[in-house]
Amino acid sequence: EDQVTQSPEALRLQEGESSSLNCSYTVSGLRGLFWYRQDPGKGPEFLFTLYSAGEEKEKERLKATLTKKESFLHITAPKPEDSATYLCAVRSGSSNTGKLIFGQGTTLQVKP
Amino acid sequence: GAGVSQSPSNKVTEKGKDVELRCDPISGHTALYWYRQRLGQGLEFLIYFQGNSAPDKSGLPSDRFSAERTGESVSTLTIQRTQQEDSAVYLCASSLASGALYNEQFFGPGTRLTVL
Repeated sequence: EDQVTQSPEALRLQEGESSSLNCSYTVSGLRGLFWYRQDPGKGPEFLFTLYSAGEEKEKERLKATLTKKESFLHITAPKPEDSATYLCAVRSGSSNTGKLIFGQGTTLQVKP
Repeated sequence: GAGVSQSPSNKVTEKGKDVELRCDPISGHTALYWYRQRLGQGLEFLIYFQGNSAPDKSGLPSDRFSAERTGESVSTLTIQRTQQEDSAVYLCASSLASGALYNEQFFGPGTRLTVL
């Protein structure tokens, strides 16, 4: 069964304190791993797509990496505006519809 | 350009009533998805449309749930005889679908459904 697990559930950081969020997955033939950011009361906002182990993508203070079993979202010198819930999702090769399987999310709070 | 829009943003209904939730995808996006997000949980897939057809309805939790799409554009998710466990945020997403390649899904703001 395709499954995504994110850890930790919640993370509190001081402004400038770098850290990483983890997304572990089991999937029948990975056809993409996706990171989204979700602010309270809003829909998820697309951040990155990774397709193969070893791939990395960066956007401002965020960097996503991928291995065969997990993905990390590294946050360098975070600011309070980075506070949000970060969602990880995978697209399985067992489905040809493109539907995403999501983890529970990691809620990040960055204090000034 | 315009993103995915959903209406209403909030819906409060009484148990047993029917509700309709609307999604307007990004123009030109042929793929459309509905997801449900219960409080404190991840998103659950409900249904997928390619054009006006729904080849994957595997996530619909019961026969009280149905959806349609017209004009390869607007989609409506209907929940009949609502139950309290239907309370959740219902999210719509759209994407370009080109052959075997599936592109990123862009989400709307969601409809928060509360069943009293």
